[in-house]
Amino acid sequence: GDSVTQMEGPVTLSEEAFLTINCTYTATGYPSLFWYVQYPGEGLQLLLKATKADDKGSNKGFEATYRKETTSFHLEKGSVQVSDSAVYFCALSSNDYKLSFGAGTTVTVRA
Amino acid sequence: GAVVSQHPSRVICKSGTSVKIECRSLDFQATTMFWYRQFPKKSLMLMATSNEGSKATYEQGVEKDKFLINHASLTLSTLTVTSAHPEDSSFYICSARPPGLASDTQYFGPGTRLTVL
Repeated sequence: GDSVTQMEGPVTLSEEAFLTINCTYTATGYPSLFWYVQYPGEGLQLLLKATKADDKGSNKGFEATYRKETTSFHLEKGSVQVSDSAVYFCALSSNDYKLSFGAGTTVTVRA
Repeated sequence: GAVVSQHPSRVICKSGTSVKIECRSLDFQATTMFWYRQFPKKSLMLMATSNEGSKATYEQGVEKDKFLINHASLTLSTLTVTSAHPEDSSFYICSARPPGLASDTQYFGPGTRLTVL
């Protein structure tokens, strides 16, 4: 079955540091890949997505590239802010549109 | 963006009682809604897929008689936890998918914290 493995946290960074969260997946077919973010006290929000190999999703300074050869979708941001403190979930969706989530990575950015 | 609401946000109930959680898509019609359960410091586990006007499809290991799902309209799905027990205490999250062949994005509600005493 489909599965997602992402880097376990927690991750603590200083402002303006570089952030990367690794995510790899196992799926049949050609899934869509997503990063969702959950800010404290809020519901999950779509951060970015990519629907086919070599696509790059980007939003709010975050980027992730769909790498079919390495079955990866690593999330990166060059300079984090305190407001980026949240839990980040990598997910995939196959033909039936069900989402399979990774375990989530808690990121804390300190001023 | 699309907004999904859940009600209540928190509920505390006694063991053996039933609890209903509502999930509404506020500004779009959702032919498909999903119900998830999130354990502390764990990922979201899909419980069931709710389709408007038809029976819900439950994931393996989820008791359909315990977690009753009704999707009576294009903007409302309900999850009823029947005869709740302390082990049912969890964070329940719904999501809604707008219709359309290209729609692989789900919009999530803020979640409902259920505590069973």
